[in-house]
Amino acid sequence: AAGVIQSPRHLIKEKRETATLKCYPIPRHDTVYWYQQGPGQDPQFLISFYEKMQSDKGSIPDRFSAQQFSDYHSELNMSSLELGDSALYFCASSLTGARNSPLHFGNGTRLTVT
Amino acid sequence: QLLEQSPQFLSIQEGENLTVYCNSSSVFSSLQWYRQEPGEGPVLLIALYKAGELTSNGRLTAQFGITRKDSFLNISASIPSDVGIYFCAGQWISNTGNQFYFGTGTSLTVIP
Repeated sequence: AAGVIQSPRHLIKEKRETATLKCYPIPRHDTVYWYQQGPGQDPQFLISFYEKMQSDKGSIPDRFSAQQFSDYHSELNMSSLELGDSALYFCASSLTGARNSPLHFGNGTRLTVT
Repeated sequence: QLLEQSPQFLSIQEGENLTVYCNSSSVFSSLQWYRQEPGEGPVLLIALYKAGELTSNGRLTAQFGITRKDSFLNISASIPSDVGIYFCAGQWISNTGNQFYFGTGTSLTVIP
């Protein structure tokens, strides 16, 4: 079965640079979630999109933005990168219309800011 | 933190059974258990949707509390490949969609 695809797998950026992370949800899933996970931390919710519209916002910095496109893939744009942005970034998808639809995660993008 | 897990760390001998607990003061519409290996995404183990629901997946058994505020995950006859961090995640259904919040995690070590 197709899973959530994230790219790139690893990304190294310098301070004040920008980064773009991509996520391709499971086919027919209509909701995408972005999470940030620091070392030894649980995943922290950043933002979610339902049917290409932002549905919920968590602890996402103003320097970050995201969108979901017509083909349901999503991109997380991160500007003015700081050392503290180094983390694993996960995308997850679900089918909001279905009651029994848990999160399905991609393998993440490891962002290192130097 | 909406969801507290215990214990935070667990080290057991291969073949032993273990139980991880997930507690909250909030009510959730569903609760899931995930396992995460280093550098990988969380993988869904069990999803619970009804109050009091008891569900098994092989050597894993989980139950959703009757108040929808707590859950436990039991792993029987542990094996070395069970190592990882176990997270519970609670789902809220709001006017704008679904929200999922993760527990604090339990790091499991299995000694061969």
